[in-house]
Amino acid sequence: LAKTTQPISMDSYEGQEVNITCSHNNIATNDYITWYQQFPSQGPRFIIQGYKTKVTNEVASLFIPADRKSSTLSLPRVSLSDTAVYYCLAGLNYGGSQGNLIFGKGTKLSVKP
Amino acid sequence: DAGVTQSPTHLIKTRGQQVTLRCSPKSGHDTVSWYQQALGQGPQFIFQYYEEEERQRGNFPDRFSGHQFPNYSSELNVNALLLGDSALYLCASSSGHTNEKLFFGSGTQLSVL
Repeated sequence: LAKTTQPISMDSYEGQEVNITCSHNNIATNDYITWYQQFPSQGPRFIIQGYKTKVTNEVASLFIPADRKSSTLSLPRVSLSDTAVYYCLAGLNYGGSQGNLIFGKGTKLSVKP
Repeated sequence: DAGVTQSPTHLIKTRGQQVTLRCSPKSGHDTVSWYQQALGQGPQFIFQYYEEEERQRGNFPDRFSGHQFPNYSSELNVNALLLGDSALYLCASSSGHTNEKLFFGSGTQLSVL
């Protein structure tokens, strides 16, 4: 199973770009990298998913180097409302089966004014 | 279009009792997964239901059981409650296709006294 390692916590200020790096050294060929965001007392919310190179959506960008042993979630110009826990998953949700998706402890991002 | 709904939102039980939690998946989804999230930890996979069958199970004892109904809704049952079962229980739904993102409900906060 592809275990991931992330920083436990990060601090930032409003308007800054935040980059959270995740290590997944034993990622399998078929595994995707997926990031979820979780606010207190709520379920995680999907942010972005990628396999290689760069993926961008309206919320974030995901950078994945060629060896795929790590990935970086980039949040542009964060606001106070981005304060949350961010989870990096390296795995595959097979149709009709969770496959090997594992949530770690995540990175607690605190955005200050 | 309603997302994933869970009931009840909060529940207080005593040791040895039994509890049933309920989940209605997002419209169009046929796969339901259950997670346990202890305070300060990431969600831990309990099991997943697809086509009314348990397709995959995490490292949880038999005291944890579930069911999926023909309308794709699901129940999580926990027997002989222990203090350590106190946690946020999350339901996630997805379609049966490979690598579809998970949609989570807001969870049921279970307190065992």
